Amino acid sequence: GENVEQHPSTLSVQEGDSAVIKCTYSDSASNYFPWYKQELGKGPQLIIDIRSNVGEKKDQRIAVTLNKTAKHFSLHITETQPEDSAVYFCAASTLSGGGADGLTFGKGTHLIIQP
Amino acid sequence: GAGVSQSPSNKVTEKGKDVELRCDPISGHTALYWYRQRLGQGLEFLIYFQGNSAPDKSGLPSDRFSAERTGESVSTLTIQRTQQEDSAVYLCASSLDRVGRGELFFGEGSRLTVL
Repeated sequence: GENVEQHPSTLSVQEGDSAVIKCTYSDSASNYFPWYKQELGKGPQLIIDIRSNVGEKKDQRIAVTLNKTAKHFSLHITETQPEDSAVYFCAASTLSGGGADGLTFGKGTHLIIQP
Repeated sequence: GAGVSQSPSNKVTEKGKDVELRCDPISGHTALYWYRQRLGQGLEFLIYFQGNSAPDKSGLPSDRFSAERTGESVSTLTIQRTQQEDSAVYLCASSLDRVGRGELFFGEGSRLTVL
């Protein structure tokens, strides 16, 4: 089955700086890569996703890049703000896969924005 | 409702007791998922329901865990003879379609503490 590794487990950056979270996956058939943000006491919420026919996707201050050859994808947050503090999860899935086996989550990155 | 609703939000029980956790998905969502999140850990898949198909139970950790869903509505996750290692936040999510074709919308979770 799919295995998703996520690094770092904790990331502390100064407000205004950029943050990068990296994930690798093992199944070359994976073709859908969402990122979820979990604030304290809440459920995860989708913030951005990318499909394998695209190398990069941006949405305001967040962007995701995908390297299918190397089987890794990254989340980039620019001009970080206090409200970006949360736990971020990457995931990988095969769009044509049946069942929830198709979505595998990383272990999460606790992002801390220092004022 | 506006989002995925889970109850209870917090449950403290004694070892050996049975517990039942409830999930109300977003109306019209055919897919429903249960995940377990231990303290500081990632999301561990438990079970997946898709419409009237047989559920994918491949993530259930033992036969003490079971879940039911009536049609495309409410789901209950039951844990029998609870153990201390069952302590975790149990997250429910629903989606318009199977994973990869629709965003997962998570509830805020049910925090279970087994004494």
